[in-house]
Amino acid sequence: EVQLVESGGGLIQPGGSLRLSCVASGFTVSNTYMVWVRQAPGKGLEWVSVVYSAGSTNYGDSVRGRFTASRDTSKNTLYLELNSLRAEDTAVYYCARSTRDVSGAFDYWGQGTLVTVSS
Amino acid sequence: IQLTQSPSSLSASVGDRVTITCRASQGISSYLAWYQQKPGKAPKLLIYAASTLLGGVPSRFSGSGSGTDFTLTISSLQPEDFATYYCQQHNSDPRAFGGGTKVEIK
Repeated sequence: EVQLVESGGGLIQPGGSLRLSCVASGFTVSNTYMVWVRQAPGKGLEWVSVVYSAGSTNYGDSVRGRFTASRDTSKNTLYLELNSLRAEDTAVYYCARSTRDVSGAFDYWGQGTLVTVSS
Repeated sequence: IQLTQSPSSLSASVGDRVTITCRASQGISSYLAWYQQKPGKAPKLLIYAASTLLGGVPSRFSGSGSGTDFTLTISSLQPEDFATYYCQQHNSDPRAFGGGTKVEIK
């Protein structure tokens, strides 16, 4: 069974750093397009970053240069390092999987982890 | 690529036929997905490639369109369908989402 479980969220001051984790089971992250999507309170969904199956990464304009996505294939885990955090980064952060089976849509999502940036 | 959903919210009754539209700022062939999200829960994929239902999704849901204009239709709204629906283009990165349509009980 495919599962994604995020952790690492919490309350952090502006300018601070945090690392989110997403543990995958039922498939291998090393050959899968994995994404982070966030949702600010009461707002819509925002694509944040991707780790491609080859291991390269890409980022949305609002986080590029501040966030770093990575993976540890030995732990089958995806990470998102959040730096220079701002109030507008407050959101629930989801990891999700994309496969060719669904033409690149996101078929499995984690439960989300809440990041609150506030002094 | 920007996605514009309409309406942003609607009120409907159980049994109603509901239609939500999504317009892309440029052509995306049939690379359009629809998600359902309930409060406090992660989004759930319903439809991908514009019209392909994910296994287990009720047949009252259907999707259509190609190029820039797409539609999600719920043929007979059920109590469990009250939620927010998002479209997403899965043609190219960033795989952006539309702004969402909240379906509320009339």
